[in-house]
Amino acid sequence: EVQLVESGGGLVQPGGSLRLSCAASGFTFSTYWMTWVRQTPEKGLEWVATINQDGSEKYYVDSVKGRLTISRDNAKNSLYLQMNSLRADDTAVFYCVVGIGIWWGQGILITVSS
Amino acid sequence: DVVMTQSPLSLPVTLGQPASISCRSSQSLVYSDGNTYLNWFHQRPGQSPRRLIYEVSNRDSGVPDRFSGSGSGTDFTLEISRVEAEDLGVYYCLQNSHWPNTFGQGTRLEIK
Repeated sequence: EVQLVESGGGLVQPGGSLRLSCAASGFTFSTYWMTWVRQTPEKGLEWVATINQDGSEKYYVDSVKGRLTISRDNAKNSLYLQMNSLRADDTAVFYCVVGIGIWWGQGILITVSS
Repeated sequence: DVVMTQSPLSLPVTLGQPASISCRSSQSLVYSDGNTYLNWFHQRPGQSPRRLIYEVSNRDSGVPDRFSGSGSGTDFTLEISRVEAEDLGVYYCLQNSHWPNTFGQGTRLEIK
C-alpha cells in the first residue's frame, strides 16, 4: 500500500522558515518524479514544485522561486520542501504527490501569521 | 503560464444522469513528443485529490468506466455517463505539458 506522510507543518511568522518532509513507502521511491502541491479555499489547487528521480532537475512556480527549495533523499525514501521568507499568502495545505498526481499524501497545514 | 479555464464552476446534477465538464487551455497542450499531458482529478470533501484520467483519456487503475476523458489541443472534456452519489465533490483539470504545471479553478459537482 502506498503511503505518503507529510510532517513539519504548523504556524510560522512572516519571514520565517519551515521544512516540510514527506516519508514515502509502498512503491519504489527512487524511480518517480515527486511534486509538492498546495491548496487554499481561495485559489484551489496550485502546483508548487517538482523534482526528478535523482534530484538533478527541479521546477518551481514563479511565486516561490528563490524562497522554496524542493529536495529528496532516495536512501531515506523522503521528499522535502525547505520554505524560507514565508509570506501570508503561502498559507495553505501542502500535499506530497507522486509524479503528476498518481498518489497524494493527506496534506499538512502551513499557516503564516503574526 | 498556461491558463486552464474550467466550465461550469458549479454543476447541479441528478443522480443517474450524465454530467460533462469542460477544460480549456490558453495554449496547445501537445508536447514535443506528440503526447498531450492533460489530467483530471476528483476531490471529495475532507479528502486529498485523486487522479481519474491522465493524458486526456486514460483512466487510472480502479476508476469506474463511467468516467471518460476526451479532447485535443486546447479543448478537453470530462464526462460521467451516470452520476453516482460518490462522484460528488470538486473536479480539477491539470496540464503538465508546460512548466509551470497549472490547474483549472475547479468544478463543483452537487446534487440538484
